Amino acid sequence: NAGVTQTPKFQVLKTGQSMTLQCAQDMNHNSMYWYRQDPGMGLRLIYYSASEGTTDKGEVPNGYNVSRLNKREFSLRLESAAPSQTSVYFCASSQARVEQYFGPGTRLTVT
Amino acid sequence: AQKVTQAQTEISVVEKEDVTLDCVYETRDTTYYLFWYKQPPSGELVFLIRRNSFDEQNEISGRYSWNFQKSTSSFNFTITASQVVDSAVYFCAPRRKLIWGLGTSLAVNP
Repeated sequence: NAGVTQTPKFQVLKTGQSMTLQCAQDMNHNSMYWYRQDPGMGLRLIYYSASEGTTDKGEVPNGYNVSRLNKREFSLRLESAAPSQTSVYFCASSQARVEQYFGPGTRLTVT
Repeated sequence: AQKVTQAQTEISVVEKEDVTLDCVYETRDTTYYLFWYKQPPSGELVFLIRRNSFDEQNEISGRYSWNFQKSTSSFNFTITASQVVDSAVYFCAPRRKLIWGLGTSLAVNP
């Protein structure tokens, strides 16, 4: 089992560019999450999906959109990147909203 | 409001010392889960343990032990005989609201 995979691992964008971060899990989990982590901070929830076909905003959703493509995949889109979105992005999944299992992260820099 | 507090921002110990990381979860919920995660310098996040509010029994796993006290809303994590490989940021997080503490950075020096 690969667990939770994320692509890409690194990305540099210019202000105003768009991109989609991909996440997939092979653990048959219902719930999936996107977090961002900034230096010296804990994780802040951007969006989550409790089950296939549903998505909800987290603590910091502005500037992002998500798609729960199917049970395995949950993507995060930045429509117009801003320097404030420079961060490390983590995708996670869980069953019944219990402990979460995380992907390796995507390090995004917006210049 | 729900709040997770990890009062220790950074801890530095010498190898083989015992170290305790504190976590306090303020909530009006009567039932909840709390979790500990580890983030080593390589950056991945690793689940360590889950406890629910009904179970105050201490848990021990090798050099790791956890003490949960509902009366004080604390879920403390102790590493016995610390090793350099324990150097990491440790996060405490509740399940509800998916909020996280700011983490405690532990440095274990040889």
